[in-house]
Amino acid sequence: QKEVEQNSGPLSVPEGAIASLNCTYSDRGSQSFFWYRQYSGKSPELIMSIYSNGDKEDGRFTAQLNKASQYVSLLIRDSQPSDSATYLCAVRLAGSYQLTFGKGTKLSVIP
Amino acid sequence: EAQVTQNPRYLITVTGKKLTVTCSQNMNHEYMSWYRQDPGLGLRQIYYSMNVEVTDKGDVPEGYKVSRKEKRNFPLILESPSPNQTSLYFCASSLRGQAKYNEQFFGPGTRLTVL
Repeated sequence: QKEVEQNSGPLSVPEGAIASLNCTYSDRGSQSFFWYRQYSGKSPELIMSIYSNGDKEDGRFTAQLNKASQYVSLLIRDSQPSDSATYLCAVRLAGSYQLTFGKGTKLSVIP
Repeated sequence: EAQVTQNPRYLITVTGKKLTVTCSQNMNHEYMSWYRQDPGLGLRQIYYSMNVEVTDKGDVPEGYKVSRKEKRNFPLILESPSPNQTSLYFCASSLRGQAKYNEQFFGPGTRLTVL
């Protein structure tokens, strides 16, 4: 059974701090990893993708992948109130058509 | 503008009255998918399509039908809606379904209420 686990939160951080969001997955055949941001009542928006072990940086966002430990994380530096949203982790198995989503972590950035 | 569109955006209906939610993408994507999102349950896949005339069940297909007669369109059909199908529905598409570097893009969502 494919499982993607996230802490539901809410995770509260002060403005300007680093927010750290974590995700673990159960299937070692997982190949592609994505982070989506979802504002309340809106559609998920892709913010990061990562495919290899290590770090991938894009602006204030850094995705980290550790396949040996089966976790993927998202760091948000200099957090802003506009970053307040639910962050969804999604994982695809090699050769699969399906994305499996975690239930999301709700982030609240306090001004 | 590259996008996935859904219609209607909001729908209130009654039990048993057949309805169709349309989904269209203008990016020439092969892969399209339908999800439902419910509080506490997250995003769950209903059906997906790898290409024209090729569809398969996701994790929660009961009570839904789909068809893919054209590459750009992937309608979701509820032949006899029930209150437990009240949910927020998202259509998504990607260039290739299986490709490692494939990223999925979502439509704006359809909020369905079945009374």
